[in-house]
Amino acid sequence: QKEVEQDPGPLSVPEGAIVSLNCTYSNSAFQYFMWYRQYSRKGPELLMYTYSSGNKEDGRFTAQVDKSSKYISLFIRDSQPSDSATYLCAMRVQGAQKLVFGQGTRLTINP
Amino acid sequence: NAGVTQTPKFQVLKTGQSMTLQCAQDMNHEYMSWYRQDPGMGLRLIHYSVGAGITDQGEVPNGYNVSRSTTEDFPLRLLSAAPSQTSVYFCASSPGQGLYEQYFGPGTRLTVT
Repeated sequence: QKEVEQDPGPLSVPEGAIVSLNCTYSNSAFQYFMWYRQYSRKGPELLMYTYSSGNKEDGRFTAQVDKSSKYISLFIRDSQPSDSATYLCAMRVQGAQKLVFGQGTRLTINP
Repeated sequence: NAGVTQTPKFQVLKTGQSMTLQCAQDMNHEYMSWYRQDPGMGLRLIHYSVGAGITDQGEVPNGYNVSRSTTEDFPLRLLSAAPSQTSVYFCASSPGQGLYEQYFGPGTRLTVT
């Protein structure tokens, strides 16, 4: 079993829809949670970063962490075609020098 | 400020050949790392470095060597290429060792025939 599981999709939604992307994990020691966005044939870029449990909002993006369920989510409101990309979750244990990535979910927003 | 640069962008190797993937960053970041990305596997850490002269293995280090003689450069060497090393390789860097944000290069697409 992988430490971090992410549905690879693909996920296709109409423009303006609310998108929910999720990851589950097995290591209860993970404390830092990140979402990266990767456009086709580009390197990933950091989108959101949260520590421990709770919510974090940045514009149209909201990251949620539920440590009791070992489950993290990324919500995209008012989705735009420019949001079409692969979204990767990543996690880290406090003090560790490695990130563990999910497989990535390919998202397409249709105009 | 070029960020993280990688060369070459594309490479085709024959089985058994060796080569070095180059990575450089101009942000004075202490932490640098190499990942490979394969369909359905996400990003997997190959090797990482927390500073000049210090390297360590990641999740999938076999068949790869690294060294870090300067803060700026972190080359990845394939010793004897195998078809299983066909992948997209990304170099990343991060300020400090907190890994709160990693900056990725544009990637090198490697095919081993």
